[in-house]
Amino acid sequence: GAGVSQSPSNKVTEKGKDVELRCDPISGHTALYWYRQSLGQGLEFLIYFQGNSAPDKSGLPSDRFSAERTGGSVSTLTIQRTQQEDSAVYLCASRGAGGSYEQYFGPGTRLTVT
Amino acid sequence: AQSVTQLDSHVSVSEGTPVLLRCNYSSSYSPSLFWYVQHPNKGLQLLLKYTSAATLVKGINGFEAEFKKSETSFHLTKPSAHMSDAAEYFCVVSERGTASKLTFGTGTRLQVTL
Repeated sequence: GAGVSQSPSNKVTEKGKDVELRCDPISGHTALYWYRQSLGQGLEFLIYFQGNSAPDKSGLPSDRFSAERTGGSVSTLTIQRTQQEDSAVYLCASRGAGGSYEQYFGPGTRLTVT
Repeated sequence: AQSVTQLDSHVSVSEGTPVLLRCNYSSSYSPSLFWYVQHPNKGLQLLLKYTSAATLVKGINGFEAEFKKSETSFHLTKPSAHMSDAAEYFCVVSERGTASKLTFGTGTRLQVTL
């Protein structure tokens, strides 16, 4: 079966522009996570969606970052007014129901802000 | 709060010799622990996981890890390194029994030489 997919794989944008990053989780997975991987900060949690519950936004670094998940499936991470420090690889992961609690990661979107 | 400390940022071994990547965790509750591997320009792949069963966990590609509560450790080992094992390894913790976020260590880069 298909794994987690993300698009685009690479995105170069100018400082101040808005960007949207997309994540398609594994079909049937109820939980979806966004993480960011950067040289200075390592891998850090951003936001988490579980079913119809309110998302856990505790990892979002500023109010320029937002995310939504439509229909319990596809998710979009939006960064407004991008800054150079937003340059990183943005990773999406999904998790199925049941007790294993392991997360399956997509290949990531490499964002470069110039 | 939960955290993991990977004690070595870089480990170099010769092909055919044992691998030891060290990880200590801190958690205020019973944790789930994972090791993920990331090959260059590839996504994160789960190597193995500890949730609550046997303390010695076997994973893919000959890796295993032992959960030691008294030492708050979850070190990753492999009896004989292969060139294809060269990658970045992440020790990860989450709250057991929940679908909460993953907290990543800073990573250990494993180099395998001839």
